[in-house]
Amino acid sequence: AQSVSQHNHHVILSEAASLELGCNYSYGGTVNLFWYVQYPGQHLQLLLKYFSGDPLVKGIKGFEAEFIKSKFSFNLRKPSVQWSDTAEYFCAVNRMDTGRRALTFGSGTRLQVQP
Amino acid sequence: GAGVSQSPRYKVAKRGQDVALRCDPISGHVSLFWYQQALGQGPEFLTYFQNEAQLDKSGLPSDRFFAERPEGSVSTLKIQRTQQEDSAVYLCASTPQGSATNEKLFFGSGTQLSVL
Repeated sequence: AQSVSQHNHHVILSEAASLELGCNYSYGGTVNLFWYVQYPGQHLQLLLKYFSGDPLVKGIKGFEAEFIKSKFSFNLRKPSVQWSDTAEYFCAVNRMDTGRRALTFGSGTRLQVQP
Repeated sequence: GAGVSQSPRYKVAKRGQDVALRCDPISGHVSLFWYQQALGQGPEFLTYFQNEAQLDKSGLPSDRFFAERPEGSVSTLKIQRTQQEDSAVYLCASTPQGSATNEKLFFGSGTQLSVL
């Protein structure tokens, strides 16, 4: 079965620090990759996605992620975090060859940004 | 409405009770998904509809779980004879497309189910 691993469960940073959240998946075939974010008291929303082309993708609010196929990774980055980035971040993967539209999510990383 | 609406927001059930959770997707959205999110975990796929057709129910954990979308809009997730392990947040999501796998999901705020 496909799995998605987010090794950082809880990250605490000061404002202006750089952020990198890890995401690894276990499936070797073609995949679509996503990062979703859940701000406190809000619903899950899409941050960015990769499905083909340039492996460095840019999303909303200054976030970016890099797909490294050889490492089965899709790490999320932001050069300088803000207090408003405090949220829970979920990586998700969809296998392209199955024809299924189900996403497999990681267990999430809780980011706390201190002012 | 402006987004995906789920009701009730919170549901407390006694073990053995049946519950029904409702999802109103964004108007015109073809695809509708249900996910289950246990405490401290990411969402796990339950089932998927394209219009009124349930095309994938492989994630439903047991035959106590049943979902329907009879007119291709509102969907109901029913759990019969609830158990404590059913306690979770149940998320609904929709997308305008019927077939793309790289599309953005629009999530509702979820129904938090607690089974005592």
